[in-house]
Amino acid sequence: GAGVSQTPSNKVTEKGKYVELRCDPISGHTALYWYRQSLGQGPEFLIYFQGTGAADDSGLPNDRFFAVRPEGSVSTLKIQRTERGDSAVYLCASSLMTGGNQPQHFGDGTRLSIL
Amino acid sequence: SQQGEEDPQALSIQEGENATMNCSYKTSINNLQWYRQNSGRGLVHLILIRSNEREKHSGRLRVTLDTSKKSSSLLITASRAADTASYFCATDNYGQNFVFGPGTRLSVLP
Repeated sequence: GAGVSQTPSNKVTEKGKYVELRCDPISGHTALYWYRQSLGQGPEFLIYFQGTGAADDSGLPNDRFFAVRPEGSVSTLKIQRTERGDSAVYLCASSLMTGGNQPQHFGDGTRLSIL
Repeated sequence: SQQGEEDPQALSIQEGENATMNCSYKTSINNLQWYRQNSGRGLVHLILIRSNEREKHSGRLRVTLDTSKKSSSLLITASRAADTASYFCATDNYGQNFVFGPGTRLSVLP
């Protein structure tokens, strides 16, 4: 079946611009996670959703970052007034349910470059 | 700061040899998972071990967990060139989110 899909795969934009990154999880997965990964590092947790609600957004670095999942399926990560330090690969993952005993299924990420 | 720390940071072996990677973590956990990431791709779940388990096997993979030392190891036996990837441990920290370590970059030379 289809895996987690992330679009775009690459995004290049100028400092100060607004960007939206999209994640389409595996059908039926109620939990959805966003991570940020810098070169040579592990994924850094940003936010996760259980259904439509953000259950934990403690990883969002500041109020320029926001994510939504209005219908409990597709999610969008929004970054306002982008800075060069936002450049990274943004990964999305979904799992059937929340919980540490659930394997996460990852998309291939969006590589964001802020010039 | 990251919960898990993998060791070594990089490992280079010959095809057919075994590869061992270690993960240490700081706080009590419910579960620990191992993932693989090929260059430019997302992470792929390999194996999950619960805090009340000491060892688990899946094909050529063997994972151990020592909660008293707050450490886990991943052993890949009879390695293949296709095993070349980065390997990460992830802990759930009794919460709903996951904390990943910086990873071990494994190179298997043909």
